[in-house]
Amino acid sequence: GAGVSQTPSNKVTEKGKYVELRCDPISGHTALYWYRQSLGQGPEFLIYFQGTGAADDSGLPNDRFFAVRPEGSVSTLKIQRTERGDSAVYLCASSLDRGLGNEQFFGPGTRLTVL
Amino acid sequence: AQSVTQLDSQVPVFEEAPVELRCNYSSSVSVYLFWYVQYPNQGLQLLLKYLSGSTLVKSINGFEAEFNKSQTSFHLRKPSVHISDTAEYFCAVSDHNTGNTGKLIFGQGTTLQVKP
Repeated sequence: GAGVSQTPSNKVTEKGKYVELRCDPISGHTALYWYRQSLGQGPEFLIYFQGTGAADDSGLPNDRFFAVRPEGSVSTLKIQRTERGDSAVYLCASSLDRGLGNEQFFGPGTRLTVL
Repeated sequence: AQSVTQLDSQVPVFEEAPVELRCNYSSSVSVYLFWYVQYPNQGLQLLLKYLSGSTLVKSINGFEAEFNKSQTSFHLRKPSVHISDTAEYFCAVSDHNTGNTGKLIFGQGTTLQVKP
């Protein structure tokens, strides 16, 4: 079946612009996670959704970052007033349910470059 | 706060040689441990995980990892590597401090380079 998909695969923008990154999780997965991976680093947690609600947004670096999942499926990560330091690969993962042992299935990521 | 340390950023090894990728974690509560692999131009894939029970866990492609609570380690091993094992390997932890969300804390990653 289809895995987690993310669009666009690459996004180049200018400093100060607004961007939206989209994630389509595996059908039926209620848990959705966003991570950010900077060059040479492991992924860092940003936000977790259980259904439509953001159950844990403790990883969002500041109020320029926001994410939604209005119907409990597709999620959009929104970044306002982008900065060069926002350049990274943004990863989305979904899981059948929340829980400490459930496998997270990752998408291919969106590479964001802020010039 | 929990953290994960992968002691080697790159591990070069010849084909058919054994390999060990090291991972240490810090957590004050019971943990769940994972190894994810990222092949070139592909997304992260779960390789193996430890939740409870036997401390030795194995993957379908010959990797194994052992949970050592006293040393807070979860090292990944393979007795004989193949060229196709060339990839980035990430160790990750999840524990009850994460509020039962299942969010993962990752290490910095280790690049395994298998040479012919």
